[in-house]
Amino acid sequence: AQSVTQLGSHVSVSEGALVLLRCNYSSSVPPYLFWYVQYPNQGLQLLLKYTTGATLVKGINGFEAEFKKSETSFHLTKPSAHMSDAAEYFCAVSEYNQGGKLIFGQGTELSVKP
Amino acid sequence: EAQVTQNPRYLITVTGKKLTVTCSQNMNHEYMSWYRQDPGLGLRQIYYSMNVEVTDKGDVPEGYKVSRKEKRNFPLILESPSPNQTSLYFCATKTGTANTEAFFGQGTRLTVV
Repeated sequence: AQSVTQLGSHVSVSEGALVLLRCNYSSSVPPYLFWYVQYPNQGLQLLLKYTTGATLVKGINGFEAEFKKSETSFHLTKPSAHMSDAAEYFCAVSEYNQGGKLIFGQGTELSVKP
Repeated sequence: EAQVTQNPRYLITVTGKKLTVTCSQNMNHEYMSWYRQDPGLGLRQIYYSMNVEVTDKGDVPEGYKVSRKEKRNFPLILESPSPNQTSLYFCATKTGTANTEAFFGQGTRLTVV
């Protein structure tokens, strides 16, 4: 069975600093990987996804993630944090069967200090 | 505009009183599912449906029912809610392939007292 682990339930950075949110997955087949963001009192919104091809994936709002098969990782980064990035972030892997059921990590809450 | 609409957004109820949370989508997606979100546990799938009249259990189905009579609607039914079903619930829809993104509703915050 596939699984996802997000290291750190809470990450705090200063405005303008690098954002790094860690995600490791377990999968016996090539994975489809996603990062979603949840702003307060809202649903989840797709930031970016990796399916095949280029391992460095760019998403919305300046975020990007790199798929590293050797490390079974898909860490999310942003060079310079903005106050509006404060939210909860979820990494997910998609099952090949069951229509693509998403298996989520525990989530990481990002705080941005002025 | 592509939308997944859940109602109600907030609900407080008492133990044992049947309730239904509705979900409707306008994207003509075959696949719909329900998740619950709990602190430290991320989102866990309750039930899913791959098409009309086709539903199946997810990872945490106990205490829930669903139906899929029409493609656009996928209600979640709690016939006898209990306090351990207090949670934040999300409906999601997608095409039925593994490499496509899911679209989520705004969420329903349910409190069972």
